[in-house]
Amino acid sequence: EPEVTQTPSHQVTQMGQEVILRCVPISNHLYFYWYRQILGQKVEFLVSFYNNEISEKSEIFDDQFSVERPDGSNFTLKIRSTKLEDSAMYFCASSAAKVNTEAFFGQGTRLTVV
Amino acid sequence: QKEVEQDPGPLSVPEGAIVSLNCTYSNSAFQYFMWYRQYSRKGPELLMYTYSSGNKEDGRFTAQVDKSSKYISLFIRDSQPSDSATYLCAMSASWSSASKIIFGSGTRLSIRP
Repeated sequence: EPEVTQTPSHQVTQMGQEVILRCVPISNHLYFYWYRQILGQKVEFLVSFYNNEISEKSEIFDDQFSVERPDGSNFTLKIRSTKLEDSAMYFCASSAAKVNTEAFFGQGTRLTVV
Repeated sequence: QKEVEQDPGPLSVPEGAIVSLNCTYSNSAFQYFMWYRQYSRKGPELLMYTYSSGNKEDGRFTAQVDKSSKYISLFIRDSQPSDSATYLCAMSASWSSASKIIFGSGTRLSIRP
């Protein structure tokens, strides 16, 4: 069964460092997303991406965040200068289309900023 | 008022019981309603989705939406220990499962053997 895969499963970084979280969406999917879940809190939308550009982003997705599809298979989330409050589970998701299709979520990357 | 409210639980019921999970919401633009199941340290997995008001049944699961009350429910019949997980309600304003999804905080459910 096709699945969204994320690496690494756990990333520990020092405050102020840059991190890149990687995702391999399902191969025929065209829409890609990042969500995050701070421990004990809701899953929150960060950004959606289609046709090599951001479709929609939340107020959380500020200038320290960026997304990229560098090579046609990977989808990355970069956090430029991490803060303690960026510690969370980050979920990548993908869908085949925008309308009437399920978004499949990856297993998540646990980011710990120390 | 929060956009989506969900009782976090935990909810513990014996095996075989009927489980009722609920959410309320405030945004009348929501048209697309979903229930996700999330096991510990895993990503959310879509269980069911419905458009607008009404019921939808899938095996032991029934999703119910009442737009007039801004209230959605998920019923699990003949609950099994494998149903133990956190259940997230979620909704979206667009006719899409893939656009910006607003999640509830999740209800932790435990089914006792």
